[in-house]
Amino acid sequence: GAVVSQHPSRVICKSGTSVKIECRSLDFQATTMFWYRQFPKKSLMLMATSNEGSKATYEQGVEKDKFLINHASLTLSTLTVTSAHPEDSSFYICSAAGRTGIKTQYFGPGTRLLVL
Amino acid sequence: GESVGLHLPTLSVQEGDNSIINCAYSNSASDYFIWYKQESGKGPQFIIDIRSNMDKRQGQRVTVLLNKTVKHLSLQIAATQPGDSAVYFCAEEVTGGFKTIFGAGTRLFVKA
Repeated sequence: GAVVSQHPSRVICKSGTSVKIECRSLDFQATTMFWYRQFPKKSLMLMATSNEGSKATYEQGVEKDKFLINHASLTLSTLTVTSAHPEDSSFYICSAAGRTGIKTQYFGPGTRLLVL
Repeated sequence: GESVGLHLPTLSVQEGDNSIINCAYSNSASDYFIWYKQESGKGPQFIIDIRSNMDKRQGQRVTVLLNKTVKHLSLQIAATQPGDSAVYFCAEEVTGGFKTIFGAGTRLFVKA
């Protein structure tokens, strides 16, 4: 099956710094990538949807200037958490969908962010 | 608004028994439903899916049942094994919305 990777898997940073998380589709072209956030013992919350070459569509309540998303190629999307604060600590998961549409969506392993 | 929820937050079963995880959804326009398994510290893993024109679909040891009349979805796991211990999420695709809505999740414990 299709493989989606995320890097880094874990990151600890100081408050006020920015953190970039990469999501890569390793063996297929991802026309659409999704970014989710998951709090402990909670469900996945969709943050934004990004299509290659266009601006991301953010869900209500998600600050686009806080969570910068770039989908510059068909295999890479990045999420940058700018000026991170402790409340941004969470598990961030990306998923990727190919040309067959989002009904076939492959998830990455997630990135755990801890902001001190 | 749209919502997908689960009846039971935790489920404990004996190894070898069958497990049934339930899910309720509210958007009657949804036409595609998916069950995911998530192990601790990992991303969701696709288990099985079903389209709204079906009421049952079987996979290897898993069966998904869809009751559109009462907007209910269930995942049945046969002969549950310790490796099945995880959190299970149901999810629905919003028709025309091009996004997936996840339910709250059920944690399955398998006792040896």
